Amino acid sequence: GAGVSQSPSNKVTEKGKDVELRCDPISGHTALYWYRQSLGQGLEFLIYFQGNSAPDKSGLPSDRFSAERTGGSVSTLTIQRTQQEDSAVYLCASSTGQVSGNTIYFGEGSWLTVV
Amino acid sequence: KQEVTQIPAALSVPEGENLVLNCSFTDSAIYNLQWFRQDPGKGLTSLLLIQSSQREQTSGRLNASLDKSSGRSTLYIAASQPGDSATYLCAVSNDYKLSFGAGTTVTVRA
Repeated sequence: GAGVSQSPSNKVTEKGKDVELRCDPISGHTALYWYRQSLGQGLEFLIYFQGNSAPDKSGLPSDRFSAERTGGSVSTLTIQRTQQEDSAVYLCASSTGQVSGNTIYFGEGSWLTVV
Repeated sequence: KQEVTQIPAALSVPEGENLVLNCSFTDSAIYNLQWFRQDPGKGLTSLLLIQSSQREQTSGRLNASLDKSSGRSTLYIAASQPGDSATYLCAVSNDYKLSFGAGTTVTVRA
């Protein structure tokens, strides 16, 4: 597609359930990022992929969060045993991976509500 | 750790007035700075990218300046329109990671 695609766009889940959020980056973009935006807060970095590798997972808030990327393309962010504080918008972004000219393109986000 | 601050947090102006949005950051060793726009319920749209070696970038009614040594950037929007109402975020890049400010929410009154 032309832009970064995320699914689902909205997800309501019960506390304790697992959820998977999917990101399909712009074709040819080697760098992929996950950010989280909680109500009234700024964007919080979660994880960065270069190709299929994740050189920086430092932003994942707990071991309930994991992410993978396969084929240098689609990425999945998994949250296990969801808690109410996980409610947020999860934004995926991609870029060409060239550091200095690094325009980054965001998807529309996956809105997660844990009830 | 890079800290990014945006002032003001919210701004309301009548249509036609020029907008001035400020961004400051604590670590001047940046690769670039980007300004984004976020509409309610939507993702982020990149508006302008300024490389660390540049002083400003312009696109249409938008102009962004960068003073890396003082850790500041300013986004100017000329002749504001109601369609400019949105939240504007600045983000600085240290290598691959973007650090974001909390944003300035702009309302342009018709």
